[in-house]
Amino acid sequence: DGGITQSPKYLFRKEGQNVTLSCEQNLNHDAMYWYRQDPGQGLRLIYYSQIVNDFQKGDIAEGYSVSREKKESFPLTVTSAQKNPTAFYLCASSMIDSYNYGYTFGSGTRLTVV
Amino acid sequence: DAKTTQPTSMDCAEGRAANLPCNHSTISGNEYVYWYRQIHSQGPQYIIHGLKNNETNEMASLIITEDRKSSTLILPHATLRDTAVYYCIVRVNYGQNFVFGPGTRLSVLP
Repeated sequence: DGGITQSPKYLFRKEGQNVTLSCEQNLNHDAMYWYRQDPGQGLRLIYYSQIVNDFQKGDIAEGYSVSREKKESFPLTVTSAQKNPTAFYLCASSMIDSYNYGYTFGSGTRLTVV
Repeated sequence: DAKTTQPTSMDCAEGRAANLPCNHSTISGNEYVYWYRQIHSQGPQYIIHGLKNNETNEMASLIITEDRKSSTLILPHATLRDTAVYYCIVRVNYGQNFVFGPGTRLSVLP
């Protein structure tokens, strides 16, 4: 079955460490996105990519980095520069050639800094 | 900023229809209205979308007013599993990204 997979589901990080969250899709979608969600809040866009080897900053890109070397994969690195990284991270993908296409979301990664 | 306004929370009795309102008074003529929901600790799930006409699928119905300034998502027979946060989103522009506001927290009560 086609879908979008995030791993791991739970991640613990020590302060000062970088950590990478995985996102893989087999939907043949062009675009991929990373969102952050804090408790009781909506989703905030971190980075997005509409084509391989290209990506753009979203609203809260500081302290994060991404790469898009393959169409299927869009990993997110949370760097030590991110002041408050504890949050729920969601990856999504979509086609981009039509208004009618919505997003397909993964099941999320919950990151906790210990 | 989100282009929509939704109530913070709503309750609905199990088995009854849940009607979730959304205001989008600044919507432009070629923007669609999308609805997603997010069950606790999961990724958001697509429900339905529409432009002008009312839409229905196996999950819900979407009623859009004639002036397109507001819409209502209807879950015809709410169950406990429909308890979730529901997001109403207006697609800003072609190729632009969805903006998720805080949504409406729907609690379906037994």
